[in-house]
Amino acid sequence: AQSVTQPDIHITVSEGASLELRCNYSYGATPYLFWYVQSPGQGLQLLLKYFSGDTLVQGIKGFEAEFKRSQSSFNLRKPSVHWSDAAEYFCAVGEQDYGGSQGNLIFGKGTKLSVKP
Amino acid sequence: DTGVSQNPRHKITKRGQNVTFRCDPISEHNRLYWYRQTLGQGPEFLTYFQNEAQLEKSRLLSDRFSAERPKGSFSTLEIQRTEQGDSAMYLCASSLSGDYTDTQYFGPGTRLTVL
Repeated sequence: AQSVTQPDIHITVSEGASLELRCNYSYGATPYLFWYVQSPGQGLQLLLKYFSGDTLVQGIKGFEAEFKRSQSSFNLRKPSVHWSDAAEYFCAVGEQDYGGSQGNLIFGKGTKLSVKP
Repeated sequence: DTGVSQNPRHKITKRGQNVTFRCDPISEHNRLYWYRQTLGQGPEFLTYFQNEAQLEKSRLLSDRFSAERPKGSFSTLEIQRTEQGDSAMYLCASSLSGDYTDTQYFGPGTRLTVL
């Protein structure tokens, strides 16, 4: 069965420091991979997505992620964290439905990011 | 640009009562998804629609749950005979075409508390 694992429940980094959030997936076919961010009281916002092509994907707010098929990973990175990045981050894999289009998303349990001043 | 809206934002109910949530997707989005998120977990898929057709239902969607999208626009999710285990955030998302490259846009969610 398809699954997504985010090994880190909670990470604390200092403002200005670099960030890497880990994500491992289990999926039989070519995965469609996503990173979403959720701030308190707000809905999930898409940071970036990977479907094919270049394995290094650029997203919004200065985030990037690298798809590594050999490691079944899709880690999220940011070179310099800002206090406003404090939120919960979710990695997800998209299933294809019977018609070959995107069906539901399977999410990891999330990583909560805290930022120290 | 109006995003996905959900009403109510919060609902407190007593065990055994019925509740109904509404989701208004981004206009012209033909796919609409429902997810449930419990504390400390990521969202879990419940069901999705393409226009008014319900295409897939998760095994999480017990017979106490029913979802509709009667005219292919807004959707409702009803839970009958609520149980304390139904307490969760219910999220709605919509996308334009369901193409595998599509982005699902999420609403702010409805938080349900069952006493």
